Amino acid sequence: DQQVKQNSPSLSVQEGRISILNCDYTNSMFDYFLWYKKYPAEGPTFLISISSIKDKNEDGRFTVFLNKSAKHLSLHIVPSQPGDSAVYFCAARHYGQNFVFGPGTRLSVLP
Amino acid sequence: DTGVSQDPRHKITKRGQNVTFRCDPISEHNRLYWYRQTLGQGPEFLTYFQNEAQLEKSRLLSDRFSAERPKGSFSTLEIQRTEQGDSAMYLCASSKRDTVLVLTFGAGSRLTVL
Repeated sequence: DQQVKQNSPSLSVQEGRISILNCDYTNSMFDYFLWYKKYPAEGPTFLISISSIKDKNEDGRFTVFLNKSAKHLSLHIVPSQPGDSAVYFCAARHYGQNFVFGPGTRLSVLP
Repeated sequence: DTGVSQDPRHKITKRGQNVTFRCDPISEHNRLYWYRQTLGQGPEFLTYFQNEAQLEKSRLLSDRFSAERPKGSFSTLEIQRTEQGDSAMYLCASSKRDTVLVLTFGAGSRLTVL
């Protein structure tokens, strides 16, 4: 039973345009969400987070939106750069428990 | 601060052999986690330590797996009698107790069981 889903295995975007990565979850008790980025041969790197009490968090080119009623969050990257090409993981946590990760979406930003 | 270090980066072994992975967390981080990642999947939680105490173990951690963190610093993950299904990337992560919401991962140890 996959509690965190990323239904798009891959996404291609032109440099300078917006990248939107989606994540759906099934557990309504999740209260904190993270996005990680992973380059080949490296471990995942923390990107941005959002608490369930908020619906938006912004950090430079990265914005995460949370829609609790739809159990959906999305990561927006504007503008996309070739260096953003990586696998992006969504992760969610229920208070007191460990993070559950989605399967990841591979983003390719084309020059 | 050199980040989270894992050793070896890649291990190839024959089925039935034992393997051990080591993780050195960031020095001031008192929580240490082990995750496993297989192809096409996200990291799956295995176990975590707060200082030297192992506080939680996933059902994924069979009896053939054992993890230790004897002095609350580095940790080892041992897999006994390896099986082909154990082939995966084993990721270590660490965090401070007061910032447990962000995990810092190492580059991982890739295990291939022939």
